Amino acid sequence: GDSVTQMEGPVTLSEEAFLTINCTYTATGYPSLFWYVQYPGEGLQLLLKATKADDKGSNKGFEATYRKETTSFHLEKGSVQVSDSAVYFCALSGGGADGLTFGKGTHLIIQP
Amino acid sequence: KAGVTQTPRYLIKTRGQQVTLSCSPISGHRSVSWYQQTPGQGLQFLFEYFSETQRNKGNFPGRFSGRQFSNSRSEMNVSTLELGDSALYLCASSLYGTSGYNEQFFGPGTRLTVL
Repeated sequence: GDSVTQMEGPVTLSEEAFLTINCTYTATGYPSLFWYVQYPGEGLQLLLKATKADDKGSNKGFEATYRKETTSFHLEKGSVQVSDSAVYFCALSGGGADGLTFGKGTHLIIQP
Repeated sequence: KAGVTQTPRYLIKTRGQQVTLSCSPISGHRSVSWYQQTPGQGLQFLFEYFSETQRNKGNFPGRFSGRQFSNSRSEMNVSTLELGDSALYLCASSLYGTSGYNEQFFGPGTRLTVL
């Protein structure tokens, strides 16, 4: 069945550091890929998405490229801020399973 | 435009009881999906309703059920509560459903604690 694998962390970085959170997936068909962010006490917010191979999703300085050959959708940001501290979820839909299939989430902590 | 709202935000129940959670989608959205979030299992898809019909269902026992009303509001019911049902229950709405590139908009969740 469909699955998403990502590092769980916590990942601790200093402000202005470069961020990479790895995400790989297994799915049948041609899934769409998403990154969601969850701040403490809140629901999920869509950060960015990509719907086909080689698409790049971007938002608020975050980027991720849909790599079909490596089944990956790694999240990157050039310079993180304290306000980026949150849990980040990689997810897919449109594979073999119903609904969104999520990774376990990566807890990101940015220190000033 | 108002976002997805869920009520109540917090709930405490005891084993064996039943509980009903409510979700109001974004105006105009016809699809409502429910997810369970736990530290051990992460986020898992429960079911999706579209135009008052259950369209998809995840791998959960029959104790978990739901329905959708003509105004697209949805309720989720869990009967005979177990300790393992303690979780954050998230509702998401979208225009067309959970497949493909359709964006899901999530509510803040209902935190259920079973004692």
